[in-house]
Amino acid sequence: GESVGLHLPTLSVQEGDNSIINCAYSNSASDYFIWYKQESGKGPQFIIDIRSNMDKRQGQRVTVLLNKTVKHLSLQIAATQPGDSAVYFCASKVSSASKIIFGSGTRLSIRP
Amino acid sequence: GAVVSQHPSWVICKSGTSVKIECRSLDFQATTMFWYRQFPKQSLMLMATSNEGSKATYEQGVEKDKFLINHASLTLSTLTVTSAHPEDSSFYICSASPLESGRDTQYFGPGTRLTVL
Repeated sequence: GESVGLHLPTLSVQEGDNSIINCAYSNSASDYFIWYKQESGKGPQFIIDIRSNMDKRQGQRVTVLLNKTVKHLSLQIAATQPGDSAVYFCASKVSSASKIIFGSGTRLSIRP
Repeated sequence: GAVVSQHPSWVICKSGTSVKIECRSLDFQATTMFWYRQFPKQSLMLMATSNEGSKATYEQGVEKDKFLINHASLTLSTLTVTSAHPEDSSFYICSASPLESGRDTQYFGPGTRLTVL
């Protein structure tokens, strides 16, 4: 069946370092991918997305990389700040369908 | 723009009672709204997809008679948890897909924490 999974449940990084959060997906028909940030007790917040016709997309301090060959995507956060502490979810979607499938989440914690 | 609200933000109820949660798109019209459930330290699990004016489509394993969804307008969807039990305690999150943005965009609400005693 369709699933999106993450390699690591928790990630601890030093403030100022770069963070890399990985995600694997199983549905080869997925052609749209999204990263969300969820702070405690809040709804998911959109960070960045990428379509399958691209392999890299950059935003402000964030970069998403997509490797369709191995069905893997990653989220890179540059110069990680205390405010980046949250759970990060990758999600995938087939454009012809309406629903988004969420991965299991990675908790990012920042060491001062 | 693109704000989705939920009401209430939290609710505590007794076992056996019903609870209604509202999801509103405040500054856009939504063709489709989605309801998710999230247990502690877990991911979001899609419960159902609702389109304005039609019956909701429930995911496998979600009881449609227990989780009643109404999407009466392009800005409001409601989820009613009927005869709630402690195992229904969870964080319920809705999202809305704007009319004009295509099917890929979803904006999420802040969630509703349901605790059933």
